[in-house]
This record gives sequence, C-alpha cells and structure tokens, in this order.
Amino acid sequence: EPEVTQTPSHQVTQMGQEVILRCVPISNHLYFYWYRQILGQKVEFLVSFYNNEISEKSEIFDDQFSVERPDGSNFTLKIRSTKLEDSAMYFCASSPGPSAETQYFGPGTRLLVL
Amino acid sequence: AQSVTQLDSQVPVFEEAPVELRCNYSSSVSVYLFWYVQYPNQGLQLLLKYLSGSTLVKGINGFEAEFNKSQTSFHLRKPSVHISDTAEYFCAVRGTGANNLFFGTGTRLTVIP
Repeated sequence: EPEVTQTPSHQVTQMGQEVILRCVPISNHLYFYWYRQILGQKVEFLVSFYNNEISEKSEIFDDQFSVERPDGSNFTLKIRSTKLEDSAMYFCASSPGPSAETQYFGPGTRLLVL
Repeated sequence: AQSVTQLDSQVPVFEEAPVELRCNYSSSVSVYLFWYVQYPNQGLQLLLKYLSGSTLVKGINGFEAEFNKSQTSFHLRKPSVHISDTAEYFCAVRGTGANNLFFGTGTRLTVIP
C-alpha cells in the first residue's frame, strides 16, 4: 500500500539555523499538508498546498516558514531561522482531493531546537 | 473555526472489555469528522470518518463511531479491545469547505492483559 514518507525521522539543530524537512507524498495525490505537534499538545495545521501554491495557512505559518515542491515527488517545509518553540513533531500529509478526501499522514519528523 | 475536545487524556481498559473514547466538537458550519490512530513511532492512520448519511460509521480494526449532531459528539467505540489496540487516538474535524483538520489533544488507550 502506498504511503507518505518523511526524512529525517529526527533532526537536532541550533537556534537560528535553517532546517528543511522533507516529505514524499503518495504519488497520485494532489493536495499536500504540513501539521505540527508540540510535545503534550494537539496536532496543529500549518499549511496546505495545491497546484504549486499555498491554498490555506494558519497563523502559525509566518514568514519564517516556507513550502516548496521542488520536483514531481518531494514536498518540503523550510524553517529559515529556528526558534526554541519550533521544537515539535512535524507531520506531512497528502490527499487525492480536497475537503472530504482522507488525508494520509507520514510518520513525522521530530525536530529539536537547542 | 472548528475545535475538538477529547476529555480523556488516558483510558486504561482490560483486554476483551469494551471501550468508548469521547470526542466533542464545536463548529459554526457543517463538518466532516475523523478518528485517527497513532501507534508508537508511526504516523497517523485513519480509523474511520463521517461525511454524511448514516450516523453510525464503521472503521478498521472493529472500531465504530456515532455522529450525534444535537450533542455535537463523535464518540469512538469498540466492543472488545485487544492488546494491539494500545495507541494514541485522535479525533479531528474539518469544515466541509475547508482543507485543514482541527485535532483534539488525543486519548492514550492502554489495554491491560
């Protein structure tokens, strides 16, 4: 069964450094998402992406964040200058269509900012 | 906007006993409702979803949930749990015109042998 994959599984970085989290969505899916879960808190929506542009974003997704689909398979989340409070589990998801369609989640990348 | 409340952060239950995990939501618009499960070191896997129609929804692994519009609830149930059901369970809601999911804080189900 096809699945969403994410790399790396764990990333440790220094405050102020840039990080890029990578995701490979399911191949025939058209909608892509990033969510994050700070330890002990709920999973929060960051951004959705369709047709090579952001379709929705939350207030968490400020100018420090960007997303890109650099080729036909990868979907990346970049944090330009990490802060301590960016430490979280980041989940990528994809779906074949919008709204009612099921979002399929990857295993997550655990980011620790020191 | 939508929000989800999962009142029980942890639910211990003996093997083969029934279980109910509670979920309440709030929304000013029509919603779709979802339950996801997260096993250790894995991603979120869809258990079941309610889009429309019958309010009783059956999912994988013997789980079912009932949509109750008047009580704004979508409780998850299983008549007899197994050790392998030990996991974190997340309820989520999405407005029918939106793409983003709003999650609850999760319920950790621990099945005791």
